[in-house]
Amino acid sequence: AQRVTQPEKLLSVFKGAPVELKCNYSYSGSPELFWYVQYSRQRLQLLLRHISRESIKGFTADLNKGETSFHLKKPFAQEEDSAMYYCALKGEGAQKLVFGQGTRLTINP
Amino acid sequence: GAVVSQHPSRVICKSGTSVKIECRSLDFQATTMFWYRQFPKQSLMLMATSNEGSKATYEQGVEKDKFLINHASLTLSTLTVTSAHPEDSSFYICSAFPSGRANEQFFGPGTRLTVL
Repeated sequence: AQRVTQPEKLLSVFKGAPVELKCNYSYSGSPELFWYVQYSRQRLQLLLRHISRESIKGFTADLNKGETSFHLKKPFAQEEDSAMYYCALKGEGAQKLVFGQGTRLTINP
Repeated sequence: GAVVSQHPSRVICKSGTSVKIECRSLDFQATTMFWYRQFPKQSLMLMATSNEGSKATYEQGVEKDKFLINHASLTLSTLTVTSAHPEDSSFYICSAFPSGRANEQFFGPGTRLTVL
């Protein structure tokens, strides 16, 4: 079964501090992993995906197949990073996404 | 960029009535669209995959006769909540991806349904 777990519902850090949002997955094959972000009163949007290996808004995420994790990291948090973050998985050959429960990140000034 | 719209953004209806929600891809064609449901402070739960020109594929536990999906064109999918009840009150979100870009789903702004 496909499953995505985000253990933290809420995460609060101070501006300028490092931030890490955890994501673990359960999937028997080779999945594609994504991070989506939802800012206040806005729609869900793609932040980054593991296959592109890119850094968006200072965020990076590395797929660790051994630990079945895809944690999202940023070295220096900014107030505008406050949002809801969802980790998502797409199975091989699949089109649909399976979402984690989401983590609400709050950056304190 | 690819834009997905939903209409209405908010709807209030009486128990027992049916409500139709539209999902449109504004600047691209989408053979596949997805319908999600999101409860307050919870994650998105996939309800069904909408396929243009064919029947939708429903996730386990989702009532097909309750949530009717019609994907009649490459830019429009509709979700009809039939005989709505208060427990159907929720935030309904659709998504779609342009052909050849299955790795990037674009989400609509969502529709808030309140059943009285």
